[in-house]
Amino acid sequence: SYVLTQPPSVSVAPGETARIPCGGTNLGVKSVHWYQQKPGQAPVLVIYSDVARPSGIPERFSGSSSGNQASLTISRVEAGDEADYHCQVWDTGSGLRVFGGGTKLTVL
Amino acid sequence: QVHLVESGGGLVQAGKSLSLSCAASGFAFSRNNMHWVRRAPGKGLEWLAYISRDAIIKKYAESERGRLTISRDNSKNGLFLQMNSLMPEDTAVYYCARDGEGGSLDYWGQGTLVTVSS
Repeated sequence: SYVLTQPPSVSVAPGETARIPCGGTNLGVKSVHWYQQKPGQAPVLVIYSDVARPSGIPERFSGSSSGNQASLTISRVEAGDEADYHCQVWDTGSGLRVFGGGTKLTVL
Repeated sequence: QVHLVESGGGLVQAGKSLSLSCAASGFAFSRNNMHWVRRAPGKGLEWLAYISRDAIIKKYAESERGRLTISRDNSKNGLFLQMNSLMPEDTAVYYCARDGEGGSLDYWGQGTLVTVSS
């Protein structure tokens, strides 16, 4: 089955740029989606189809994908961005959805 | 606005079964594919099951195949998940979510907590 790999944690100072990677075999040919989840809350879709932002998501959130890696970039990080971030793909071969293990973003 | 509300969680003994429900509103439920996802304590999100809008296609995570049954009632805007032979490792918050563009999950409920005691 398809596997997505994320680092357990990423730390960044306020105002800086956070980059959260997600690795998978030939990930660049799949559509990658990203979710933000704060403690006690439901996940929120922040990036879909590699680079698209749903309505209401700040422009500070952006995505990219190429080769075996995708990334979620958060510019001008704020304290309110502290959360778990999960990448996800649709493994069309099996028809199943797959999540990465999640990355905890800490704002120092 | 899209609204998804899960129910049916609670404390259950290992080996027992449990049925979860998800009430949908604010969108054309019968025209949307749906999912169940869970998050266990200290772990990431785990996708569990998918059902097409007409309930003809159902998909399950390989690790859970045989223990889960996803279903829906379009006349009542309801989504369901039947879980059998529960184990302590099934302790988690269970979410229903709507299928979105490109295979994403664009709207999520607030989740229902299932605790399985040994």
